[in-house]
Amino acid sequence: QQQVKQSPQSLIVQKGGISIINCAYENTAFDYFPWYQQFPGKGPALLIAIRPDVSEKKEGRFTISFNKSAKQFSLHIMDSQPGDSATYFCAASPPSNSGGYNKLIFGAGTRLAVHP
Amino acid sequence: DSGVTQTPKHLITATGQRVTLRCSPRSGDLSVYWYQQSLDQGLQFLIQYYNGEERAKGNILERFSAQQFPDLHSELNLSSLELGDSALYFCASKTGFGNSPLHFGNGTRLTVT
Repeated sequence: QQQVKQSPQSLIVQKGGISIINCAYENTAFDYFPWYQQFPGKGPALLIAIRPDVSEKKEGRFTISFNKSAKQFSLHIMDSQPGDSATYFCAASPPSNSGGYNKLIFGAGTRLAVHP
Repeated sequence: DSGVTQTPKHLITATGQRVTLRCSPRSGDLSVYWYQQSLDQGLQFLIQYYNGEERAKGNILERFSAQQFPDLHSELNLSSLELGDSALYFCASKTGFGNSPLHFGNGTRLTVT
């Protein structure tokens, strides 16, 4: 119940295309769903996050779509650029009042390559 | 720059040895988290400290231990090292409780030979 399953493992997109990465979770107690971006040699950095009371959140070219009934959420990168080439991790966290203390559980990661 | 500092950046050691990884959190952040990142396991939560006290434990081996000092910096101690301990070890910090962003350092790459 603590797992977050992420797909695909790797993704190749042409410049200007749409990149879509999907995640699924089992634990209905999760209430915070961030996406992290990691460049080689760097630590993960928060990209965008959503809570289950909304179905979509958009920040610039990045959009999270959230389907609570299906227990799935996805990251869409519009107009993908070579500079977006990185590894993307979805994550989920239980509420802090359950003792979770923001113990983020990460998906396995998706390596995105955007070709010019 | 996340404001989280980890040292050393790289560490090469032999099996059976002991190493200490150090983390300085962002100024004002009371919570420190340790994660292990290996190729086949992704980012695995190890342990969390809040203001010097251990608050949550994940998949941390008994050979590993950590602490957070009064100045809020944290150390992760890895002993009796095995080849399989080779990984990137990340420290992250956040301000307090609740779901606010975790800020990661750039990690320590440990290679056990």
